[in-house]
Amino acid sequence: SAVISQKPSRDICQRGTSLTIQCQVDSQVTMMFWYRQQPGQSLTLIATANQGSEATYESGFVIDKFPISRPNLTFSTLTVSNMSPEDSSIYLCSVVYGGGLGTEAFFGQGTRLTVV
Amino acid sequence: QQQVKQSPQSLIVQKGGISIINCAYENTAFDYFPWYQQFPGKGPALLIAIRPDVSEKKEGRFTISFNKSAKQFSLHIMDSQPGDSATYFCAASSSGSARQLTFGSGTQLTVLP
Repeated sequence: SAVISQKPSRDICQRGTSLTIQCQVDSQVTMMFWYRQQPGQSLTLIATANQGSEATYESGFVIDKFPISRPNLTFSTLTVSNMSPEDSSIYLCSVVYGGGLGTEAFFGQGTRLTVV
Repeated sequence: QQQVKQSPQSLIVQKGGISIINCAYENTAFDYFPWYQQFPGKGPALLIAIRPDVSEKKEGRFTISFNKSAKQFSLHIMDSQPGDSATYFCAASSSGSARQLTFGSGTQLTVLP
């Protein structure tokens, strides 16, 4: 299993500003994943963060808007830049352990962002 | 284009009843199908998962039924309990693992006491 800590747990931000979300894992992992969960909706993968290389972004997400850092094997940050009310969502980081049917994704508790 | 379609959006079941949630997918490259349970204020947690080489998997009160030809899979919760009240997400991946999951839209389950 994995223990994932996200900070902050929630924030209210002014439009046009940026927020950096931190994700700390209790063990080393190669890949970390960032998801967005809009209110009452599903989770959408934003990007995959590998240690030592540039993050890989999914369609519809760009590095200028969601820059990601991955300085070591237990930590990552996601920045939501130049925020607008449409960015109000829950942002979750995730790690995956195991293979075969033993593979499992673990999620942090999420960062609830409200942009006003 | 939504790759995993989930229904119903909400479900109300009496205690002891059977809860059934359905998902359909389009991408035939998907090879791993998990179900996640999410309580308010928490991240999703894995409930049960299946691969397309089997048609059913059971773990306690939770069963996944998988129909590869129809590209559909479903979650059955037997003897539903009020503590099962949560949001359930089906998901799929083509990576053979839980990496880079594509999630369904979620089902809010309420089990009445």
